[in-house]
Amino acid sequence: AQSVAQPEDQVNVAEGNPLTVKCTYSVSGNPYLFWYVQYPNRGLQFLLKYITGDNLVKGSYGFEAEFNKSQTSFHLKKPSALVSDSALYFCAVRPFTGGGNKLTFGTGTQLKVEL
Amino acid sequence: DTEVTQTPKHLVMGMTNKKSLKCEQHMGHRAMYWYKQKAKKPPELMFVYSYEKLSINESVPSRFSPECPNSSLLNLHLHALQPEDSALYLCASSQVKERSGNTIYFGEGSWLTVV
Repeated sequence: AQSVAQPEDQVNVAEGNPLTVKCTYSVSGNPYLFWYVQYPNRGLQFLLKYITGDNLVKGSYGFEAEFNKSQTSFHLKKPSALVSDSALYFCAVRPFTGGGNKLTFGTGTQLKVEL
Repeated sequence: DTEVTQTPKHLVMGMTNKKSLKCEQHMGHRAMYWYKQKAKKPPELMFVYSYEKLSINESVPSRFSPECPNSSLLNLHLHALQPEDSALYLCASSQVKERSGNTIYFGEGSWLTVV
């Protein structure tokens, strides 16, 4: 069975500073990895995904994530945080085969960007 | 902007009522999903429809009854709910094909309060 760990319940960053939201995963075989963002009282919004190929994935709103197979990690990053990035971020994994379309989510990380 | 549309956005119902949540997508996706989300928690998968047939039921109580009338529509019929069923109900859709890193796209959700 697959699993995702987001070790930080909350991350606080000053506006303009770089941000990192951590994610590690466990899956049999190769993974598909996803990041979603949820703003208050909204649905989940897709940010980016890793399927195969280049380990650095670029997504919406200036976010990027780096796939590291040896460390089984897929950390979300942004070079310069904005107050408007404050939201709840979910990492999710699905196995390459056998998982159907069933996503396994991490517990979420609340990002707070302050002036 | 999400291309998965959910109605109503808010619903308050008594424990003896019968109501329905509706979802529509026009992305040509043949997989549709219902998720339940409690505040600050990850979404929990309830049902998956693939090619308009129920493919996954995550042991959801029978007071929740899904229906997929056609490839664009998904309903969730609610009857005799309990206060603990109060949550955000998210509809989502994706392509069906495995091994292709299908992205699951979410709607904005329907906030359900059971009184």
